[in-house]
Amino acid sequence: GQQVMQIPQYQHVQEGEDFTTYCNSSTTLSNIQWYKQRPGGHPVFLIQLVKSGEVKKQKRLTFQFGEAKKNSSLHITATQTTDVGTYFCAGHVTNAGKSTFGDGTTLTVKP
Amino acid sequence: DGGITQSPKYLFRKEGQNVTLSCEQNLNHDAMYWYRQDPGQGLRLIYYSQIVNDFQKGDIAEGYSVSREKKESFPLTVTSAQKNPTAFYLCASSAGTYSYEQYFGPGTRLTVT
Repeated sequence: GQQVMQIPQYQHVQEGEDFTTYCNSSTTLSNIQWYKQRPGGHPVFLIQLVKSGEVKKQKRLTFQFGEAKKNSSLHITATQTTDVGTYFCAGHVTNAGKSTFGDGTTLTVKP
Repeated sequence: DGGITQSPKYLFRKEGQNVTLSCEQNLNHDAMYWYRQDPGQGLRLIYYSQIVNDFQKGDIAEGYSVSREKKESFPLTVTSAQKNPTAFYLCASSAGTYSYEQYFGPGTRLTVT
């Protein structure tokens, strides 16, 4: 079945440093979503990417969808303590009734 | 106030008892999902439903059951057959066809002793 791998599993950064998490799918995706889960909270939808090579920005967050639509990345510029949490990607394959979540990357930020 | 609600927030049960977790949404979404999350782990799909009166097994359906009698409701029953039921249970919904972003409820933390 479809697999979605996310790396790294954990990332510890100093406040102000950049952070990137990568998502790789075993199959070509129709779209990919990104979510953030704060400690003790529930996942919150951040963004959906649909087009090959698509790049979207939300303030300090930059999301990319690979040309082959099998990988994606989330880059945070100049991390802040409010960025702490686990970031999940979820890949959707055409005609599948569900998305497959990666295992997440947990980001900790040292002030 | 639109959203997805789960109740209760915390639930304690004795081993051998069935327990039903509630999930309600007023977003008029067609699709609903149940996930299990263990400490420090990712989301594992239990069951999902794309339309009323229909649902499919996810990756870890054994020991769980669901129903989808109404569009806005998707209750999950954790049966006594589930060997390791203590976990954080998350319900989500999405609009359905061509709209895949999921909106999650606050979750229910189930402890079985």
